[in-house]
Amino acid sequence: KAGVTQTPRYLIKTRGQQVTLSCSPISGHRSVSWYQQTPGQGLQFLFEYFSETQRNKGNFPGRFSGRQFSNSRSEMNVSTLELGDSALYLCASSLDGTGYNQPQHFGDGTRLSIL
Amino acid sequence: KNEVEQSPQNLTAQEGEFITINCSYSVGISALHWLQQHPGGGIVSLFMLSSGKKKHGRLIATINIQEKHSSLHITASHPRDSAVYICAVTPFGNEKLTFGTGTRLTIIP
Repeated sequence: KAGVTQTPRYLIKTRGQQVTLSCSPISGHRSVSWYQQTPGQGLQFLFEYFSETQRNKGNFPGRFSGRQFSNSRSEMNVSTLELGDSALYLCASSLDGTGYNQPQHFGDGTRLSIL
Repeated sequence: KNEVEQSPQNLTAQEGEFITINCSYSVGISALHWLQQHPGGGIVSLFMLSSGKKKHGRLIATINIQEKHSSLHITASHPRDSAVYICAVTPFGNEKLTFGTGTRLTIIP
């Protein structure tokens, strides 16, 4: 069974640009969550999607957005990139989205660098 | 003060030693997760627990809900156990994982 797949693995952008990251969950998983990891702030929750609806949202500005498709694949978008957006972005999927009392299966992440 | 505190931040040990990593949290939770992150970034979920104790191979995780404390133990440690171990909790009424800052474990052959 394939794991969680994130693309691309690495990305370099400049300030002011926008970026879209992709996450394909494990087959059959309907919940997809996104996280940002930086050396200063550690891991932080961005948002969670279940059945194409955003169900939970962390404390990030509106420049960070996401969506989920009918096949459970998810994308996150960051607009007007800032230097502080440089981070490892991780997505995780779980089976049926009954909250976080389920093991989270993580992808390898997308490392985003802003110049 | 962070809602999830881990100790120690860094730990270096000899191969074969018994390892303990601690996690304390300040809120009521419905579940606690232990995660392992290797260099390169990928994260593996080791345990999810809400009470008692779980064991998987050489890894053991315990939780004391009353004391708001969990421990991760590694028996007969091996260099391949070198990684960052992260504790995360699901607070009651807030279905968002809240993470500790991680413990960097290095096992020397």
